[in-house]
Amino acid sequence: DAMVIQNPRYQVTQFGKPVTLSCSQTLNHNVMYWYQQKSSQAPKLLFHYYDKDFNNEADTPDNFQSRRPNTSFCFLDIRSPGLGDAAMYLCATSPRPVGRGRSDTQYFGPGTRLTVL
Amino acid sequence: AQSVTQPDIHITVSEGASLELRCNYSYGATPYLFWYVQSPGQGLQLLLKYFSGDTLVQGIKGFEAEFKRSQSSFNLRKPSVHWSDAAEYFCAVFLGVTGNQFYFGTGTSLTVIP
Repeated sequence: DAMVIQNPRYQVTQFGKPVTLSCSQTLNHNVMYWYQQKSSQAPKLLFHYYDKDFNNEADTPDNFQSRRPNTSFCFLDIRSPGLGDAAMYLCATSPRPVGRGRSDTQYFGPGTRLTVL
Repeated sequence: AQSVTQPDIHITVSEGASLELRCNYSYGATPYLFWYVQSPGQGLQLLLKYFSGDTLVQGIKGFEAEFKRSQSSFNLRKPSVHWSDAAEYFCAVFLGVTGNQFYFGTGTSLTVIP
């Protein structure tokens, strides 16, 4: 049973053309995360939502935005994609922020691979 | 600066052989420690985690990891590797200081040969 769903799995956009990636979850978790993973690199946290509270990482470019209209959905918006934004984008969820409970951990979706032409 | 290091970029083992993947962290206190596996084109799956208590942690798929405070290490082991274990393995730490300081290592790619 799918728990964290990302659509689409593969996304192609043009340089400078806004693109939105989608993530949904059936776990009813309070926290949703977006990671960027470039080829042969570790995933890098971009931001996360704890309920409706948005938490941006200090080094996340302004080009990246996020929306969470309800508990189940979270979107990643890239306003003007550059060639350097081509990557796998991973969505993850957790009941609470990692570390606040022994049983808390992150559940990852399959990712969306973004290509920028 | 705090960091997590996976010294081995790529490891090749024969099917049935034992496996150890190394992970070291640099942080003053004991962080929360995790191992994830990522198959090609897939998301990350949690193998195991350490928060406190018994330093030998059992995970899924026959994996285990041992936390060694004196060495700042959290190495992943499996006594007998299966061809399906071929994947990318990431060690991760949560520092638990402020915000959501969750950091991944750069990963170790595992190849399993028949």
